[in-house]
Order: sequence, then C-alpha cells, then structure tokens
Amino acid sequence: AQSVTQLDSQVPVFEEAPVELRCNYSSSVSVYLFWYVQYPNQGLQLLLKYLSGSTLVKGINGFEAEFNKSQTSFHLRKPSVHISDTAEYFCAVSELNTGGFKTIFGAGTRLFVKA
Amino acid sequence: DTAVSQTPKYLVTQMGNDKSIKCEQNLGHDTMYWYKQDSKKFLKIMFSYNNKELIINETVPNRFSPKSPDKAHLNLHINSLELGDSAVYFCASSHGPLGPRGDSDTQYFGPGTRLTVL
Repeated sequence: AQSVTQLDSQVPVFEEAPVELRCNYSSSVSVYLFWYVQYPNQGLQLLLKYLSGSTLVKGINGFEAEFNKSQTSFHLRKPSVHISDTAEYFCAVSELNTGGFKTIFGAGTRLFVKA
Repeated sequence: DTAVSQTPKYLVTQMGNDKSIKCEQNLGHDTMYWYKQDSKKFLKIMFSYNNKELIINETVPNRFSPKSPDKAHLNLHINSLELGDSAVYFCASSHGPLGPRGDSDTQYFGPGTRLTVL
C-alpha cells in the first residue's frame, strides 16, 4: 500500500532564505508524485508533479523538486522564499489501479516565512 | 469562469441535522472526489466517482452519501450530523485514467466548505 511521510510539520524561515520541505513515500508500483500548496482559506492547487523522465521538476512560483528513486524521496526546494510563500504544502502520491487513480496526501508542512 | 465550485462556503448546524454540500466542475473531467480536512490540516479521501460511478469509498460512515447526477456534479449528503463531522470538506476533479497524458491525475480543488456542527 502506498504511503506518504512529510518529515516536518512546520518550517519557519526568514524571507529570502532557501527552504527544503521533505517528503518520503512508499509504494509497491510505479507512482506519480505531486506537491500541492494551500494558501489560507483556499483549496489546494498544484505546484509541480513528477510523472517520468528528468528527476528534477520545476513548478510554479520558483519551486522545484527532485525525485530520488533509491531514497524514495521527493523533496521540495526554493532558493529564496517570499512572505507570500507562507502556506501549507502537501506532498502526494498517486498510483493507477483497477478503479482509477488513488492519491494519498501527506500530513502537510506549514511553511512560515518571517520578515 | 470558476473551475470547481462548492456551495455553501460555510455551514453551521446543530447535531442531528441533515445537510448537503454541492460541487460542480466545468472542466469536462470524468473523475470527482470528496476530501475531509480536519483541524490539523490532515487531508483524507472520502469518495471518488468516475463517470458517475463510485470507485473509491474509504471507510466513511454510511451517514455520508455521495450522489453524482451527472459527471459534472458530485454532491455530498450527511445525515444525523455529529460533532466530529466538523471539518473543511473539499471537492476535487481530474481527467481520470483516460485523460491526456501528463494531466490525467492532476486534481483541481474547489474552495472548500467549512462545516461546523454545534
């Protein structure tokens, strides 16, 4: 069965500093990997996704993530954060089974950017 | 213009009441979902429908009954509301397994319905 672990529940960081949000997953089959962002009082929106090919994936708002198959990780990074990046970030794993895609979300990491 | 919409945005009700939340998507997607997000932001899948057919039902109490009148709508009816049902409920949609390569399982979320049971 698939599972997703986000290793940090909260990450405080100063503006313009780099940040890494960690995500590890487990699955018995090939998976698709996602990062979603949830701004306060809003629904989730897609930041980036990995399906196949290059292991470094670039997303919106300057975020990128690297798929590491041997470490079963998909960590999210940004070289310089802004106050507006303050939000909840969810890592997700999706696998295709007989009923369709099943997506499991991690518990979320709250990124708090301080001035 | 809105891709995935939900009504109402806020719902405050007494224990024991029955209520419904509606969801509509205008993206032409085949698959729709209901998620529950608790106060700790944990997001859990409840149901998934593909072309009006139930494909995922994740051990949700049978007080919760989804209904999909057509593939653009997935409504959630909740009977005998309990305090523990208080949460934010998100509807989402995706193309599904037959969708375009690279986008078939990207989910598009509605703005959420904040349910408070008193």
